[in-house]
Order: sequence, then C-alpha cells, then structure tokens
Amino acid sequence: AQSVTQPDIHITVSEGASLELRCNYSYGATPYLFWYVQSPGQGLQLLLKYFSGDTLVQGIKGFEAEFKRSQSSFNLRKPSVHWSDAAEYFCAVGERGGGADGLTFGKGTHLIIQP
Amino acid sequence: KAGVTQTPRYLIKTRGQQVTLSCSPISGHRSVSWYQQTPGQGLQFLFEYFSETQRNKGNFPGRFSGRQFSNSRSEMNVSTLELGDSALYLCASSGTGGSSYEQYFGPGTRLTVT
Repeated sequence: AQSVTQPDIHITVSEGASLELRCNYSYGATPYLFWYVQSPGQGLQLLLKYFSGDTLVQGIKGFEAEFKRSQSSFNLRKPSVHWSDAAEYFCAVGERGGGADGLTFGKGTHLIIQP
Repeated sequence: KAGVTQTPRYLIKTRGQQVTLSCSPISGHRSVSWYQQTPGQGLQFLFEYFSETQRNKGNFPGRFSGRQFSNSRSEMNVSTLELGDSALYLCASSGTGGSSYEQYFGPGTRLTVT
C-alpha cells in the first residue's frame, strides 16, 4: 500500500524567510503527487500537482515543488513566506490508473510564521 | 465556477443516532469522494461515487454509507453513531479520473457526537 511521510509536524519560519516542507512517499511506481493547504476550520485547497514531465512544478500563492524520483520526494518550497501562509500543509499521492484508495495523505505539517 | 458545497457545516448528535451529510460538487464534476479527518488518524478515504455508483471504498465499517444522485450531488450517511465518529467530514469532487486525481474539496461538515 502506498504511504506518505511528512517528517516535520511543526515548522516555524520568520516572515520573509524561505520555506521548504518535506514529503516522502512509498509507492511502486511514480504516483500522482499533490500539495494541499488547510486553514483552521476550512477545507483543503490544492496548491499544486505533479503528473508527469518537468519535475519542478509551479503552483498558486508563489509555491513550487520539486519531484525527485531517486529520493521518492516531493518537497514544497516558497522563497519568501507571508503571515497569511500560516496553515496546515498536506502532501498527498494518488495511484496512476485509478486506485481503490482515493488520495493517501501525509499527517500534515503545521506552519507557524513569526513576525 | 462555484466550488464544492457541503451542508450542514456543523452538527451535534448523540451516540446511537444517525446522520446524513450532503455535498454538491463543482458543476460538471461527476466524481465525488468523501474523507474523514481526525487529529489522531488524519485524512482517511471513505468512498467515491461516480455516475451514481460507488466505485471505490476505504476501510470503514458498513455504518458508513453514501449515495449519489443523477445531478452528481452526494449524501453520506452514518448510522448508529459512536463517539469516535466525531470528525471533520470532507467532500471532494474531481472532473476527470476520479478519486486518485486532483480533488477539489468543500469546507467540510464538523460532526460532534456526544
């Protein structure tokens, strides 16, 4: 079964500093890869996705992610964070060809922004 | 385009009762998936409906069921509620390949079981 690991439960970053959130997955082949963000009391918003092609993908709100097949990783980055980026971030994978398990999510990383 | 809508947003129920949650997908989306989110277990896939048929199912007991109507709106039902069913229930719709593709989520229904 596929699995997703987000090693950092909490990350604190100063406003204006760069950000990298880690995501590793376990899967037999390259899955579909996603990053979602969730603000308190809200649903999940899709930040970006990777299906194939260029391994560096751009998303909304200035986020980008890089797929590294050799490391089974899909890390999320932002060059300069804003206070409004404080939220919970989830990495997710989906099985190519359509799987029976929907999206598999990591446990999430809680991002705290220091003024 | 309007996003995914879920009603109600909040519910308080008593153990043993049953509950029905509703979800309207993005216009044109035919796949609707349901997820349960709890602090302990995180986000877990419940099931997916496509063209009024359940296509995929997660590892949840039979007390959790759903259906989809011809207009793609979906309902989820939980019977004989238990305290552990307290969670945020999220509905997501997809326009192409279903539950393993990009999902667009609604705001969720917060269910509290007392």
